[in-house]
Amino acid sequence: EVQLVQSGAEVKKPGESLKISCKGSGYSFTSYWIGWVRQMPGKGLEWMGIIYPGDSDTRYSPSFQGQVTMSADKSISTAYLQWSSLKASDTAMYYCARGYDSSGYLYYYYMDVWGKGTTVTVSS
Amino acid sequence: QSVLTQPPSASGTPGQRVTISCSGSSSNIGSNTVNWYQQLPRTAPKLLIYSNNQRPSGVPDRFSGSKSGTSASLAISGLQSEDEADYYCAAWDDSLNGYVFGTGTKVTVL
Repeated sequence: EVQLVQSGAEVKKPGESLKISCKGSGYSFTSYWIGWVRQMPGKGLEWMGIIYPGDSDTRYSPSFQGQVTMSADKSISTAYLQWSSLKASDTAMYYCARGYDSSGYLYYYYMDVWGKGTTVTVSS
Repeated sequence: QSVLTQPPSASGTPGQRVTISCSGSSSNIGSNTVNWYQQLPRTAPKLLIYSNNQRPSGVPDRFSGSKSGTSASLAISGLQSEDEADYYCAAWDDSLNGYVFGTGTKVTVL
């Protein structure tokens, strides 16, 4: 079974750092993109960016460039999303999802398998 | 501010047909394929339609997608109570060099 298992809920203080994880199984981890999506409380979905574990090619949404860092360790089939200094506005649910594209240019990109999400709460 | 615009809500009675629109531009829907996601209450999103009109295995054929120019639509025929959820369109945007989601539509079964 193809699945993505995300790390557990986090409660942090403003200014702290954080790294959450997303472990893939049941498929070739290096052959698909891993994307990250933010959903703030009561709001819609926001695409943060993607990473291709095969070669670490990474694309960030302009809204999140410089705010977060995406990485992947293909030896353990795990992708990461990290913050160096959290803000209260980072409070949200974060989903990872497997991304597929047959065009080679991301024209046909879609996210077909999703993790259950990691809740991040930032509060003093 | 999302670049893909959807109506905030849609509703219907059981058995009815509901259609959700998604309006974009030449840099996203006009040049790339459209996908639709369903998010049931308090759960992760799920891929519903990919490549404009393809259903992943397990998605009922009550759900169908279409695209014309810079707009796309999701149709739910034979509406059921379990279809009550938020629905999002999405596509790659060449100008932003990123993936964009629609504003989302909440479907209510009356």
